[in-house]
Amino acid sequence: QLQLQESGPGLVKPSETLSLTCTVSGGSINSNSYYWGWIRQSPGKGLEWIASIYYSGSAYYNPSLRSRVTISMDTSKNQFSLKLSSVTAADTGVYYCARPHRSADICTRGFDCWGQGTRVTVSS
Amino acid sequence: QSALTQPASVSGSPGQSITVSCTGTSRDIGAYNYISWYQQHPGKAPKLIIYDVTNRPSGVSDRFSGSKSGNTASLTISGLQAEDEAHYYCSSYTGSSLPVIFGGGTKLTVL
Repeated sequence: QLQLQESGPGLVKPSETLSLTCTVSGGSINSNSYYWGWIRQSPGKGLEWIASIYYSGSAYYNPSLRSRVTISMDTSKNQFSLKLSSVTAADTGVYYCARPHRSADICTRGFDCWGQGTRVTVSS
Repeated sequence: QSALTQPASVSGSPGQSITVSCTGTSRDIGAYNYISWYQQHPGKAPKLIIYDVTNRPSGVSDRFSGSKSGNTASLTISGLQAEDEAHYYCSSYTGSSLPVIFGGGTKLTVL
């Protein structure tokens, strides 16, 4: 059974870079043509898609965050990661890693496998 | 691309049916049949309960059903149960560089 688990610091200072990792178990991130994504949830903006990476390594970003976000994958560790630079209080929220319902689909059919989420607070 | 519009809250009694609306535009809900619905209990990750407007993933109760008319999608829960009390979120594909947008969420209270 596929499982996703986020990890990373719960507290980040303003202007610093947030780094999160999603460890995938029960399946390989570089097989079966899946995208792997990051979604966040904040009180102010609800659910927001941040970025996705295809098993081949192609990356796709939310235009409003593109200048600050990098998504990458480490197939040797079966992990994919998110870096968000120059964070502000507006970046506070719960960050989820997730996989879409269907292979070769970035998000049209929804996300059916989610990590438990990791809470990130941006504060000095 | 703005978020989809959902009512903040709905309520119903056990056994009743309720409907949650999700309003978008002709560029998202109105343009594609790629509407998804999620159920989220407190402290938990969202759970996909409807995709492609009307389809249920394996294991999801048939008490959950989806529909769409024009720029508005709807989630109906029939035979309300206490365990259905949760937040519900809609999402839509947009076909743009921001491929998916979500609704603000609706809190369902089972009276």
